[in-house]
Amino acid sequence: DIVMTQSPLSLPVTPGEPASISCRSSQSLLDSNGYISLAWYLQRPGQSPQLLIYLGSNRASGVPDRFSGSGSGTDFTLKISRVEAEDVGVYYCMQGLQSPITFGLGTRLEIK
Amino acid sequence: DVHLVESGGGLVQPGGSLRLSCAASDVTFSSYWMSWVRQAPGKGLEWVATIKQDSSDTYYVDSVKGRFSISRDNAKNLLFLQMTSPRVEDTAMYYCARARDACFDYWGQGTLVTVSS
Repeated sequence: DIVMTQSPLSLPVTPGEPASISCRSSQSLLDSNGYISLAWYLQRPGQSPQLLIYLGSNRASGVPDRFSGSGSGTDFTLKISRVEAEDVGVYYCMQGLQSPITFGLGTRLEIK
Repeated sequence: DVHLVESGGGLVQPGGSLRLSCAASDVTFSSYWMSWVRQAPGKGLEWVATIKQDSSDTYYVDSVKGRFSISRDNAKNLLFLQMTSPRVEDTAMYYCARARDACFDYWGQGTLVTVSS
């Protein structure tokens, strides 16, 4: 199974400041077509997860451009250029390359 | 927008059975792989099962193999998860999700399953 390791587990951020979350996979997530099978989700308190980034760096529909995804192979990063109050919640990375699909443990972003 | 609405959750005894349903509003439901993902209280996300568009392929996390069965009815835009012999550790919120591009792009609001005697 591919293990997804996120850091940090908790991330206090001042509004307007940038934030960065790291995700590392135990195997390369590059598929045979050259795509990165890595996605990022945000789960706000009391809500279902929502897709933020897919294929490593593509923003999902309706996601603000302050969110960006990058990385290759086994190391990936989600960046928020300027954190807003509505960004509070738990962020998960997920690999969709092979079964079983696996998630990171999550990073809880809180406002200072 | 695509709307996914789960139902069928509730309290079930260990060793019993329960069937979860997910109704999709999307007329292109039959074009997508579909999945179930669960979240135990206070814990992270865990993928449970995935089914291909025409039901010809299914995949399961090891912990539910032989006990849970994913299926779909494309004529009615419905996804199912048949849970047999549930265990206390299967207690969780169960989400259905649409799969594409190696991700889950739409999620339902979830249905809570509690396994307890």
